[in-house]
Amino acid sequence: ELKVEQNPLFLSMQEGKNYTIYCNYSTTSDRLYWYRQDPGKSLESLFVLLSNGAVKQEGRLMASLDTKARLSTLHITAAVHDLSATYFCAVEPNSGYALNFGKGTSLLVTP
Amino acid sequence: DAGVTQSPTHLIKTRGQQVTLRCSPKSGHDTVSWYQQALGQGPQFIFQYYEEEERQRGNFPDRFSGHQFPNYSSELNVNALLLGDSALYLCASTGTGGDYEQYFGPGTRLTVT
Repeated sequence: ELKVEQNPLFLSMQEGKNYTIYCNYSTTSDRLYWYRQDPGKSLESLFVLLSNGAVKQEGRLMASLDTKARLSTLHITAAVHDLSATYFCAVEPNSGYALNFGKGTSLLVTP
Repeated sequence: DAGVTQSPTHLIKTRGQQVTLRCSPKSGHDTVSWYQQALGQGPQFIFQYYEEEERQRGNFPDRFSGHQFPNYSSELNVNALLLGDSALYLCASTGTGGDYEQYFGPGTRLTVT
C-alpha cells in the first residue's frame, strides 16, 4: 500500500518568515502534485513535478522533487496571510492511475 | 473552455437512501476519477473510468458504483447511505497526449443524516 506522509500537519507562521513542508512517499513514482485547498472549496493545482530533480516556482512557493529519496518539498518564502490554506501533496505511482494524497498541511500565516 | 463541472453542489440524504452524483469532464478529456474527502482528511481514491470501463478501484465497498457515458461524463452512485459517507466528493478528469494531470471539479458536498 502506497503511503504518503506530510509534515508538519499544522503550521502557524508569521508573515515574512520562511518554512518548508515535506512530503515523503513509499513507492516508485515519477509524478507528484501539490494542491492548495481553501475551506469548503475544491483543490487548486499548484505544481506538477514529473521528473527527478524537478523544481518549480510560482510567486512565494517553490516545489522540488527527489525521486531517489522519495521526497518532495514545498518551500514558502516570506509568507503572507493570503497563503493561509491547506496544502496537499499527491503521488501517482508508476504502476497505477490513482492519486494518493497526504493528510495535508494546514497553514496559518499570522501578522 | 469549460473546466470540470459537478452536480449537484450540495445534497442532504437520509441514512439508507441512495444518491447519484454527476460529473462532466474538461473539454477534450476522456478519463474521469472520483475521490471522497472526509472532513479534515486528504481525498481518497474511489475509482477511475476510461472508455466506459472501471479501470482502477480504490478500497471502497460495492455500495459505491459508477458509470461513464459515451460523451465521457460520469456518475457516482452510492447505495444504502451511511452517516460515514458524509463527505466532499470530487471528480477529476484527465486528458491524453501527454497531459497526465488530473483536473478537479468544484465537488459535491453530501450530508447524510
